[in-house]
Amino acid sequence: EVQLVESGGGLVQPGRSLRLSCAASGFTFDDYAMHWVRQAPGKGLEWVSGISWNSGSIGYADSVKGRFTISRDNAKNSLYLQMNSLRAEDTALYYCAKDKEPVTRGPIDYWGQGTLVTVSS
Amino acid sequence: QSALTQPASVSGSPGQSITISCTGTSSDVGGYNYVSWYQQHPGKAPKLMIYDVSNRPSGVSNRFSGSKSGNTASLTISGLQAEDEADYYCSSYTSSGSQVFGGGTKLTVL
Repeated sequence: EVQLVESGGGLVQPGRSLRLSCAASGFTFDDYAMHWVRQAPGKGLEWVSGISWNSGSIGYADSVKGRFTISRDNAKNSLYLQMNSLRAEDTALYYCAKDKEPVTRGPIDYWGQGTLVTVSS
Repeated sequence: QSALTQPASVSGSPGQSITISCTGTSSDVGGYNYVSWYQQHPGKAPKLMIYDVSNRPSGVSNRFSGSKSGNTASLTISGLQAEDEADYYCSSYTSSGSQVFGGGTKLTVL
Protein backbone atom coordinates (compact mmCIF):
# COMPACT_ATOMS: atom_id res chain seq x y z
CA GLU A 1 0.00 0.00 0.00
CA VAL A 2 1.38 3.40 -1.00
CA GLN A 3 1.82 5.73 1.96
CA LEU A 4 2.99 9.32 1.95
CA VAL A 5 3.36 10.93 5.37
CA GLU A 6 4.15 14.62 5.60
CA SER A 7 5.67 16.36 8.59
CA GLY A 8 7.26 19.66 9.52
CA GLY A 9 4.30 22.02 9.27
CA GLY A 10 3.37 24.51 11.93
CA LEU A 11 3.02 28.17 12.82
CA VAL A 12 5.86 30.39 11.61
CA GLN A 13 6.37 34.15 11.46
CA PRO A 14 6.60 35.99 8.13
CA GLY A 15 10.12 36.01 6.74
CA ARG A 16 11.15 32.85 8.60
CA SER A 17 11.91 29.39 7.23
CA LEU A 18 10.40 25.93 7.50
CA ARG A 19 11.37 22.53 6.12
CA LEU A 20 8.72 19.99 5.18
CA SER A 21 9.46 16.28 4.92
CA CYS A 22 7.58 13.42 3.32
CA ALA A 23 8.25 9.77 4.16
CA ALA A 24 7.26 7.42 1.35
CA SER A 25 6.58 3.70 1.53
CA GLY A 26 4.79 0.95 -0.36
CA PHE A 27 6.43 1.60 -3.74
CA THR A 28 9.88 1.88 -5.31
CA PHE A 29 10.53 5.52 -4.45
CA ASP A 30 13.37 6.14 -6.91
CA ASP A 31 11.25 5.00 -9.88
CA TYR A 32 8.90 7.97 -9.71
CA ALA A 33 8.78 11.75 -9.79
CA MET A 34 7.33 13.54 -6.77
CA HIS A 35 5.47 16.81 -6.21
CA TRP A 36 4.39 19.27 -3.54
CA VAL A 37 0.89 20.67 -3.99
CA ARG A 38 -0.75 23.13 -1.61
CA GLN A 39 -4.28 24.19 -0.79
CA ALA A 40 -5.02 27.42 1.07
CA PRO A 41 -7.97 27.24 3.49
CA GLY A 42 -11.20 27.12 1.49
CA LYS A 43 -9.33 27.49 -1.82
CA GLY A 44 -8.30 25.30 -4.72
CA LEU A 45 -5.23 23.21 -5.44
CA GLU A 46 -1.97 24.90 -6.42
CA TRP A 47 1.04 23.01 -7.75
CA VAL A 48 4.15 24.16 -5.88
CA SER A 49 7.08 22.09 -7.13
CA GLY A 50 8.07 18.82 -8.75
CA ILE A 51 11.21 16.71 -8.96
CA SER A 52 12.05 13.85 -11.30
CA TRP A 53 13.15 10.41 -10.15
CA ASN A 54 16.86 11.24 -10.19
CA SER A 55 16.56 14.96 -9.27
CA GLY A 56 17.67 15.77 -12.80
CA SER A 57 14.59 17.85 -13.55
CA ILE A 58 13.11 20.28 -11.03
CA GLY A 59 10.35 22.84 -11.44
CA TYR A 60 8.67 25.50 -9.34
CA ALA A 61 5.55 27.62 -9.50
CA ASP A 62 6.30 31.29 -10.14
CA SER A 63 4.80 32.11 -6.74
CA VAL A 64 7.57 30.23 -4.88
CA LYS A 65 10.52 30.38 -7.29
CA GLY A 66 13.64 31.65 -5.56
CA ARG A 67 12.19 31.03 -2.09
CA PHE A 68 11.41 27.29 -2.01
CA THR A 69 13.74 24.38 -2.77
CA ILE A 70 12.59 20.82 -3.42
CA SER A 71 14.91 17.86 -2.90
CA ARG A 72 14.77 14.12 -2.42
CA ASP A 73 16.88 11.42 -0.81
CA ASN A 74 16.23 8.15 -2.61
CA ALA A 75 18.27 6.20 -0.05
CA LYS A 76 15.87 7.39 2.65
CA ASN A 77 12.68 7.26 0.55
CA SER A 78 12.10 10.89 1.47
CA LEU A 79 11.01 14.12 -0.20
CA TYR A 80 11.68 17.58 1.20
CA LEU A 81 10.59 21.18 0.71
CA GLN A 82 12.77 23.94 2.14
CA MET A 83 10.65 27.08 2.43
CA ASN A 84 12.41 30.41 3.02
CA SER A 85 11.16 33.99 3.26
CA LEU A 86 7.69 32.77 4.09
CA ARG A 87 4.71 35.03 3.45
CA ALA A 88 1.15 35.09 4.74
CA GLU A 89 -0.02 33.87 1.32
CA ASP A 90 2.01 30.68 1.77
CA THR A 91 -0.45 29.59 4.47
CA ALA A 92 -1.90 26.31 3.25
CA LEU A 93 -2.16 22.56 3.63
CA TYR A 94 0.87 21.13 1.85
CA TYR A 95 0.43 17.75 0.17
CA CYS A 96 3.24 15.40 -0.77
CA ALA A 97 2.22 13.63 -3.97
CA LYS A 98 3.56 10.81 -6.17
CA ASP A 99 3.68 11.02 -9.95
CA LYS A 100 2.66 8.05 -12.05
CA GLU A 101 5.79 8.58 -14.18
CA PRO A 102 9.53 9.01 -13.49
CA VAL A 103 9.34 12.56 -14.82
CA THR A 104 7.08 15.35 -13.61
CA ARG A 105 4.54 15.29 -16.42
CA GLY A 106 1.79 13.86 -14.25
CA PRO A 107 -0.62 12.53 -13.36
CA ILE A 108 -0.41 12.48 -9.59
CA ASP A 109 -1.73 9.09 -8.58
CA TYR A 110 -1.22 9.17 -4.79
CA TRP A 111 -1.49 11.95 -2.23
CA GLY A 112 -0.55 12.25 1.43
CA GLN A 113 -2.92 13.69 4.00
CA GLY A 114 -1.06 17.00 4.11
CA THR A 115 0.75 19.12 6.69
CA LEU A 116 -0.56 22.55 7.62
CA VAL A 117 1.69 25.59 7.34
CA THR A 118 0.46 28.81 8.91
CA VAL A 119 2.43 32.00 8.35
CA SER A 120 1.42 34.66 10.82
CA SER A 121 2.93 37.05 13.33
CA GLN B 1 1.39 29.87 -15.08
CA SER B 2 -2.23 31.06 -15.05
CA ALA B 3 -4.71 28.62 -13.58
CA LEU B 4 -6.87 26.65 -15.99
CA THR B 5 -10.45 27.92 -16.21
CA GLN B 6 -13.27 25.80 -14.79
CA PRO B 7 -16.87 26.74 -13.96
CA ALA B 8 -17.23 27.47 -10.25
CA SER B 9 -20.18 25.15 -9.89
CA VAL B 10 -22.36 22.64 -11.73
CA SER B 11 -25.34 20.64 -10.57
CA GLY B 12 -27.47 17.74 -11.68
CA SER B 13 -30.08 15.31 -10.45
CA PRO B 14 -29.40 11.66 -9.68
CA GLY B 15 -29.19 9.62 -12.87
CA GLN B 16 -28.43 12.61 -15.06
CA SER B 17 -25.15 13.41 -16.81
CA ILE B 18 -23.03 16.50 -16.29
CA THR B 19 -19.94 17.88 -17.99
CA ILE B 20 -17.23 20.04 -16.46
CA SER B 21 -15.03 22.04 -18.80
CA CYS B 22 -11.39 23.01 -18.31
CA THR B 23 -9.95 25.67 -20.61
CA GLY B 24 -6.28 26.41 -20.99
CA THR B 25 -3.96 27.45 -23.79
CA SER B 26 -1.80 25.86 -26.47
CA SER B 27 1.02 25.87 -23.90
CA ASP B 28 -0.79 23.46 -21.62
CA VAL B 29 -4.11 21.72 -22.34
CA GLY B 30 -3.93 22.22 -26.09
CA GLY B 31 -0.29 21.27 -26.42
CA TYR B 32 -0.20 17.95 -24.58
CA ASN B 33 -2.39 14.93 -23.91
CA TYR B 34 -1.42 15.14 -20.26
CA VAL B 35 -4.68 16.37 -18.74
CA SER B 36 -5.86 14.84 -15.47
CA TRP B 37 -8.98 15.16 -13.33
CA TYR B 38 -9.18 14.86 -9.55
CA GLN B 39 -12.11 14.45 -7.18
CA GLN B 40 -11.89 15.92 -3.68
CA HIS B 41 -14.42 15.37 -0.92
CA PRO B 42 -14.44 17.81 2.02
CA GLY B 43 -11.52 17.24 4.38
CA LYS B 44 -10.01 14.56 2.16
CA ALA B 45 -7.02 14.36 -0.15
CA PRO B 46 -7.71 14.54 -3.90
CA LYS B 47 -8.26 11.31 -5.84
CA LEU B 48 -7.19 10.73 -9.44
CA MET B 49 -10.22 10.06 -11.65
CA ILE B 50 -8.93 10.54 -15.23
CA TYR B 51 -5.42 10.84 -16.64
CA ASP B 52 -3.89 11.46 -20.07
CA VAL B 53 -7.17 13.08 -21.17
CA SER B 54 -9.36 9.99 -21.19
CA ASN B 55 -7.80 7.11 -19.23
CA ARG B 56 -9.37 5.79 -16.04
CA PRO B 57 -7.23 4.40 -13.22
CA SER B 58 -8.10 0.96 -11.97
CA GLY B 59 -11.05 1.11 -9.59
CA VAL B 60 -12.61 4.30 -10.95
CA SER B 61 -16.17 3.87 -12.18
CA ASN B 62 -16.75 3.88 -15.95
CA ARG B 63 -19.38 6.56 -15.30
CA PHE B 64 -16.43 8.97 -15.41
CA SER B 65 -15.01 9.86 -18.81
CA GLY B 66 -12.71 12.52 -20.23
CA SER B 67 -12.13 14.17 -23.58
CA LYS B 68 -10.34 17.11 -25.15
CA SER B 69 -10.88 19.45 -28.08
CA GLY B 70 -8.31 22.12 -28.79
CA ASN B 71 -7.50 24.03 -25.62
CA THR B 72 -10.51 22.70 -23.67
CA ALA B 73 -10.73 19.42 -21.80
CA SER B 74 -13.94 18.00 -20.36
CA LEU B 75 -14.96 15.60 -17.63
CA THR B 76 -18.33 13.88 -18.01
CA ILE B 77 -20.05 12.04 -15.20
CA SER B 78 -22.99 9.91 -16.27
CA GLY B 79 -25.65 8.35 -14.04
CA LEU B 80 -25.00 10.89 -11.28
CA GLN B 81 -24.98 9.49 -7.77
CA ALA B 82 -25.09 11.23 -4.41
CA GLU B 83 -21.50 10.22 -3.66
CA ASP B 84 -20.29 12.10 -6.75
CA GLU B 85 -20.95 15.37 -4.93
CA ALA B 86 -17.47 16.83 -4.47
CA ASP B 87 -15.01 19.35 -5.84
CA TYR B 88 -13.36 18.49 -9.16
CA TYR B 89 -10.05 19.83 -10.41
CA CYS B 90 -8.39 19.50 -13.79
CA SER B 91 -4.65 19.74 -14.26
CA SER B 92 -2.25 19.82 -17.19
CA TYR B 93 1.43 19.54 -17.93
CA THR B 94 2.81 22.80 -19.34
CA SER B 95 5.47 23.84 -21.84
CA SER B 96 7.61 25.15 -18.97
CA GLY B 97 7.77 21.68 -17.47
CA SER B 98 5.41 22.49 -14.64
CA GLN B 99 1.91 21.44 -13.70
CA VAL B 100 -1.08 23.78 -13.54
CA PHE B 101 -4.44 23.16 -11.88
CA GLY B 102 -7.86 24.55 -12.64
CA GLY B 103 -9.67 26.66 -10.08
CA GLY B 104 -11.99 23.80 -9.19
CA THR B 105 -15.67 23.05 -9.76
CA LYS B 106 -18.14 22.24 -7.01
CA LEU B 107 -20.56 19.53 -8.13
CA THR B 108 -23.91 19.48 -6.37
CA VAL B 109 -26.20 16.47 -6.75
CA LEU B 110 -29.72 17.82 -6.32
